[in-house]
Amino acid sequence: DIQMTQSPSSLSASVGDRVTITCQASQDISNYLNWYQQKPGKAPKLLIYDASNLETGVPSRFSGSGSGTDFTFTISSLQPEDIATYYCQQRGTFGGGTKVEIK
Amino acid sequence: QVQLVQSGAEVKKPGASVKVSCKASGYTFTGYYMHWVRQAPGQGLEWMGWINPNSGGTNYAQKFQGRVTMTRDTSISTAYMELSRLRSDDTAVYYCARDPPTVTLHWYFDLWGRGTLVTVSS
Repeated sequence: DIQMTQSPSSLSASVGDRVTITCQASQDISNYLNWYQQKPGKAPKLLIYDASNLETGVPSRFSGSGSGTDFTFTISSLQPEDIATYYCQQRGTFGGGTKVEIK
Repeated sequence: QVQLVQSGAEVKKPGASVKVSCKASGYTFTGYYMHWVRQAPGQGLEWMGWINPNSGGTNYAQKFQGRVTMTRDTSISTAYMELSRLRSDDTAVYYCARDPPTVTLHWYFDLWGRGTLVTVSS
């Protein structure tokens, strides 16, 4: 089975900061990597699919990149409403999540 | 509107079974694979399996093989996930989640239900 290692597990940043989360696959997964946002008590929400495609309606400050085994998710300018836990996902495997907080 | 409406919270005893429903509306139910994902309290997301609502075909995560059954009723656009021989560590929120439309799986989930809390306790 492919393992997905997501880091960091948590981070604290200021409003307006650039935030970066990484996800590493245990083997080559091409561009089959997706990113979700989950706010407390809510269902996850798809943000990025196939590594770099922005889901319809998602703000452009969110972006994704990478292929093969190494992937990056970026919030270009952190907003208060971005406080959430973010997960990467490859087929039936999710990363462990990154909890993003405001400093 | 396009949505997935799940059944209400359940409390079950260890060893029992639970069946969670997920009713689709606003789109063609048979045109999209449906996945089930669960989340234990304070933990991450765990994929359980998918069902093809058109054919009824299923694929389950190895961890749940033999304990999970996914079915559908196309006449009422509803998918079901039944988990048997419940244990305390099955306590979780169970989500249904839609795969985008195509004849094959995309393996990303563009529409989610609100979740169903299943509590397993003696």
